[in-house]
Amino acid sequence: EVVLTQSPGTLSLSPGERATLSCRASQRVNSRFLAWYQQKPGQAPRLLIYGASNRATDIPDRFSGSGSGPEFTLTITNVEPEDSAVYYCQQYNWSPFTFGPGTKVEIK
Amino acid sequence: VQLVQSGAEVKKPGDSLRISCKGSGYSFDNYWIGWVRQMPGKGLEWMGIIHPRSSDTRYNPSFEGHVTISVDKFIATAYLHWTSLKASDTATYYCTRGQSDFDFWGQGTLVTVSS
Repeated sequence: EVVLTQSPGTLSLSPGERATLSCRASQRVNSRFLAWYQQKPGQAPRLLIYGASNRATDIPDRFSGSGSGPEFTLTITNVEPEDSAVYYCQQYNWSPFTFGPGTKVEIK
Repeated sequence: VQLVQSGAEVKKPGDSLRISCKGSGYSFDNYWIGWVRQMPGKGLEWMGIIHPRSSDTRYNPSFEGHVTISVDKFIATAYLHWTSLKASDTATYYCTRGQSDFDFWGQGTLVTVSS
């Protein structure tokens, strides 16, 4: 199965800074089949980005995705306190679909 | 769009269990439903998906044989079923909409398996 590695494990930022989250796949993943999710404590995950760079409905434009297999990036510009969460990448190019272990974003 | 899951469960090892996920606000027949496991304090694991119209089901090999995914399209409800629970099944289970990326999620069902 495709293993996704996310870095860093934890990112600590101040409001207004830029967050850069990385997702690397163990084999080539077509960019059409890469998604990012946000999960806040006690909540279900929420789809942020699909197809590597397409924002899901109602997602603010400070969230953006880029990259192509095997390296993908989620960027959050001008982070806000409400962006504190764990962020997961997911590939759906190869079955079984897999998620990365997550990056925890803390806003100071 | 809403996916509403059944409530938390506490079971013993060896018990059987079925949890549910009811879809509303969209054409249930037209979208795959998936299940995702999240063990306590851990990440997300894709378990499998089912299409309501055909009941076509795809499993993650890591879960196949231990759980069964089913659907009743007439009541817009999907199910996740165990015949013999293990302590290691303790987790929150989410249902999701979509075949690939998951654009809507249920609120999660916490399943606790303990003797």
